[in-house]
Amino acid sequence: QVQLVESGGGVVQPGRSLRLSCVGSGFNFNNHPMHWVRQAPGKGLEWVALISYDGTIKYYADSVKGRFTISRDNSKNTVDLLMNSLRGDDTAVYYCARREAYMFYFDYWGQGTLVTVSS
Amino acid sequence: SNELTQTPSVSVSPGQTATITCSGDGLPKQYVYWYQQKPGQAPVLVMYKDTERPSGIPERFSGSSSGPIVTLTISGVQAEDEADYYCQSADSSGKQYVFGAGTKVTVL
Repeated sequence: QVQLVESGGGVVQPGRSLRLSCVGSGFNFNNHPMHWVRQAPGKGLEWVALISYDGTIKYYADSVKGRFTISRDNSKNTVDLLMNSLRGDDTAVYYCARREAYMFYFDYWGQGTLVTVSS
Repeated sequence: SNELTQTPSVSVSPGQTATITCSGDGLPKQYVYWYQQKPGQAPVLVMYKDTERPSGIPERFSGSSSGPIVTLTISGVQAEDEADYYCQSADSSGKQYVFGAGTKVTVL
């Protein structure tokens, strides 16, 4: 069965960096664009970033553009999110999500990893 | 604008019908997708392409579309349907994605 497992969350000081990772299994990883979506405590879902199936195309939400970098390694079935210059409003649960191959929705999600930005 | 607007909350008695709407400037050109999220859990897709129900989602969940408004309907609501529901869409090239602010469905 399809599984997505995130890791790397934790407590980090403002201005510092953190790398999240997500490993996929149970499907052809390199057939799917992958995304990160976050959810601040008590708030709604916010799309963060996407990476194409082959890693050549990347897009970001305006709120993270220039600070976050998404990457993937299809040989390891992983997608990472490098978060630099973290701010308090980046505090959230970060979900890794698989995008359906041909349509613009997320058919599988990980359980999320919590990032807390605090001094 | 690519914003999606949802009613913040809906309260419904068991067995009744819950109606959740999502509207946006980009609709109906772009499809809307719906997710159910229960506390402490990841979102789960419950509707795609406005009206298509994924396998495993109960038949009481249905979707409809009329102009710029897309609707998720839960007929014969059960206690287990109490959750937050989010609509989601994307631009025509799939470069930018947006979620509605969510609708909290409370089963009385």
